Amino acid sequence: AQSVTQPDIHITVSEGASLELRCNYSYGATPYLFWYVQSPGQGLQLLLKYFSGDTLVQGIKGFEAEFKRSQSSFNLRKPSVHWSDAAEYFCAVGPSGGSYIPTFGRGTSLIVHP
Amino acid sequence: EPEVTQTPSHQVTQMGQEVILRCVPISNHLYFYWYRQILGQKVEFLVSFYNNEISEKSEIFDDQFSVERPDGSNFTLKIRSTKLEDSAMYFCASSTSGANVLTFGAGSRLTVL
Repeated sequence: AQSVTQPDIHITVSEGASLELRCNYSYGATPYLFWYVQSPGQGLQLLLKYFSGDTLVQGIKGFEAEFKRSQSSFNLRKPSVHWSDAAEYFCAVGPSGGSYIPTFGRGTSLIVHP
Repeated sequence: EPEVTQTPSHQVTQMGQEVILRCVPISNHLYFYWYRQILGQKVEFLVSFYNNEISEKSEIFDDQFSVERPDGSNFTLKIRSTKLEDSAMYFCASSTSGANVLTFGAGSRLTVL
């Protein structure tokens, strides 16, 4: 079975600073990988996804993530954080074949200081 | 942009009471899901639903839980006799196919006293 680890519960950055949120997964084959964001009072919104191909994936709101098979990682990055990026970020992994049920991590809470 | 809507946004109930959480998936989606997140823990899969029947469920989804699509638009999660440990945020999601991206609702927070 697949699993996801987000080792950081909270991350605090200053506005304008760069950001990297960590995600490690466990899955026997090449997985589908996702990052979702949840702003207060909102649903989980898809930021980006990796299914195959280029391992550097661009998403919405200026986010990108890189799939590194050797490290079983799919870290989320943003070069310059805005105050509106403060939210909960969830990494998820889904099986690449058969029944599709994504497994989520516990989330990382991003705090942005002015 | 089409969205998944969930009601209520927050419900407080007494232990042992029945609770129904409601979801309106995106109209052309065919697959429906419930997840939950206990405070501070992972977002956990509960159940998926397709073609008017459960397609997969986790070990969390025991006999106290049930799902239903009573009409063409609503998708409900019922907890028959709530326990303290059922306190969580419950997320509904839908997708166009079983191998596609899920669209989530804002969640329903359930507090069991």
